Amino acid sequence: ETGVTQTPRHLVMGMTNKKSLKCEQHLGHNAMYWYKQSAKKPLELMFVYNFKEQTENNSVPSRFSPECPNSSHLFLHLHTLQPEDSALYLCASSQNPKRGADTGELFFGEGSRLTVL
Amino acid sequence: KQEVTQIPAALSVPEGENLVLNCSFTDSAIYNLQWFRQDPGKGLTSLLLIQSSQREQTSGRLNASLDKSSGRSTLYIAASQPGDSATYLCAVQGNMLTFGGGTRLMVKP
Repeated sequence: ETGVTQTPRHLVMGMTNKKSLKCEQHLGHNAMYWYKQSAKKPLELMFVYNFKEQTENNSVPSRFSPECPNSSHLFLHLHTLQPEDSALYLCASSQNPKRGADTGELFFGEGSRLTVL
Repeated sequence: KQEVTQIPAALSVPEGENLVLNCSFTDSAIYNLQWFRQDPGKGLTSLLLIQSSQREQTSGRLNASLDKSSGRSTLYIAASQPGDSATYLCAVQGNMLTFGGGTRLMVKP
């Protein structure tokens, strides 16, 4: 496995379900990110984990809950989502020179396409 | 707040043409600028990263330039091919990474 891998690639869930998205990076990077991409909107940063510490959450609703157990794995736990949460969720990683400096080149996974019914 | 704009939003060209995609940003205090390619329903593939101290970067048929003082970057694609059809995004790294809305490119055989 190389690069950034995301599972599942496609997910359909009801509004009362609980599911999780998984991201794994094999690049030895120290920062990982969750982005949301909705139709006809620019990518929105959701969460940043730099050196395994959450440094940004950009006012994301609490129905999205990130978890970063180590520098190689990142999860996005989903609970009681709304239909407007349907989107492509992208994970990325980078090697940043220091805490608080998200300046490394970003590498993305293929994304998890989420549909909320 | 940084704002990143990409013009045009969509572009259709015949195969073989040289073309330029534009990216402009409002805050010139940046660390770097990155160009990505995204195929439909897929993730983003990094094409080029230009550090704030650099003027341009080249990779194969791609050349990206950066003019920090005027808040502009261009992505030049030489001898375009149908396989270049995709959405191209620029992202500007300041205190946070800000993406443009992308340019959807179609190269017709």
